[in-house]
Amino acid sequence: QVQLQESGPGLVKPSETLSLTCTVSGDSVSSGSFHWSWLRQPPGKGPEWIGYISYNGITNYNPSLKSRVLISADTSKNQFSLRLNSVTAADTAVYYCARVNYGVLDFWGQGTLVTVSS
Amino acid sequence: EIVLTQSPATLSLSPGERATLSCRASQSINSYLAWYQQKPGQAPRLLIYDVSNRATGIPARFSGSGSGTDFTLTISSLEPEDFAVYYCQQRSYWLITFGQGTRLEIK
Repeated sequence: QVQLQESGPGLVKPSETLSLTCTVSGDSVSSGSFHWSWLRQPPGKGPEWIGYISYNGITNYNPSLKSRVLISADTSKNQFSLRLNSVTAADTAVYYCARVNYGVLDFWGQGTLVTVSS
Repeated sequence: EIVLTQSPATLSLSPGERATLSCRASQSINSYLAWYQQKPGQAPRLLIYDVSNRATGIPARFSGSGSGTDFTLTISSLEPEDFAVYYCQQRSYWLITFGQGTRLEIK
């Protein structure tokens, strides 16, 4: 069974960088079949796709966030990571990592709440 | 960017009734349409992919249909555990977007 687990700080100050890591078990981030994605969900709203990284390191980002986002992978640890810079209160959300299977998000982490506040 | 519009925003029904949820795309998305269920405090769970294919372990009372720009999720006979928020999602041109959700509540 594929499992994903997000980790990282739950509180980030405005203008700083949000950094999260997703640890994958039951599959490999270097597998040629899937992409590995970050999403977020502000309180009371629907999910928003942030971007994904493919097995060969190619990334694709939501155009609305592209200028502030970096997704990378560490295949030796079977992890992938998110960096979102210059955060504001609008970036407060539950952040999820997920596996992308031909455009479908079939396995998700449990999510981690990140609050942007001084 | 393709925008997905879900209706209604809230649907109030009783257990045993049939639920019909709609998702309309701003342009044709072929068959790249999925549905998710989300309960409070949980991640979304994949129900349906490619318009009408049930994900592993999803009961047969859940079905999807549609084409082009108009899609429907149908729950044939509501069980108590089906009351949740439902999202549609599309992928095209290597981008992923979600609808704003339909809240299915107990009447």
